[in-house]
Amino acid sequence: DAKTTQPTSMDCAEGRAANLPCNHSTISGNEYVYWYRQIHSQGPQYIIHGLKNNETNEMASLIITEDRKSSTLILPHATLRDTAVYYCIVVIQGAQKLVFGQGTRLTINP
Amino acid sequence: GAVVSQHPSWVICKSGTSVKIECRSLDFQATTMFWYRQFPKQSLMLMATSNEGSKATYEQGVEKDKFLINHASLTLSTLTVTSAHPEDSSFYICSARDYYRGFQETQYFGPGTRLLVL
Repeated sequence: DAKTTQPTSMDCAEGRAANLPCNHSTISGNEYVYWYRQIHSQGPQYIIHGLKNNETNEMASLIITEDRKSSTLILPHATLRDTAVYYCIVVIQGAQKLVFGQGTRLTINP
Repeated sequence: GAVVSQHPSWVICKSGTSVKIECRSLDFQATTMFWYRQFPKQSLMLMATSNEGSKATYEQGVEKDKFLINHASLTLSTLTVTSAHPEDSSFYICSARDYYRGFQETQYFGPGTRLLVL
């Protein structure tokens, strides 16, 4: 699976949009970009995933660049409950397992 | 949908005893379940993958005789930590994947079980 690079930490003001970048420059054509988050002392929560088109659901939007070498997770109106570690994971189609990196620790400030 | 539960949520045991952790998919059938371990301030590390009705596949460095995994039904997998020692104290998290839900790569995680071995 392709390796991902994320900033170690980010801060965002409550009510503003949180934009979390992820670099996956070695991604191949059959690899999906997945985002999970882990709130303190809980199991990871699935957020969103995509292949090459931008995706949106009730939690977030995923913007994937045209060359697919990077992506951005957008939380449109961040709340204090969005404080968590966010993991960007590249997963090959049909893969059996997820490999978690260190993720980005997002802190939402009041 | 896609709810995964774990029991117990936390457990304290004496060194040398065995501890069983259950992982259940509540609203779907999980053909594949995964067990992870997470130490403080670290990321999740995959321990093993289990497919219903077959033996688990362990990651390198994980002792299969110490961490027994059983996936006897499509909604239940168990992890037994045998002869637990203080270094086994960790946060154990399971996940489940529903092949028939559409995106077979998507895993849904349980809330985790915190194990403390005294």
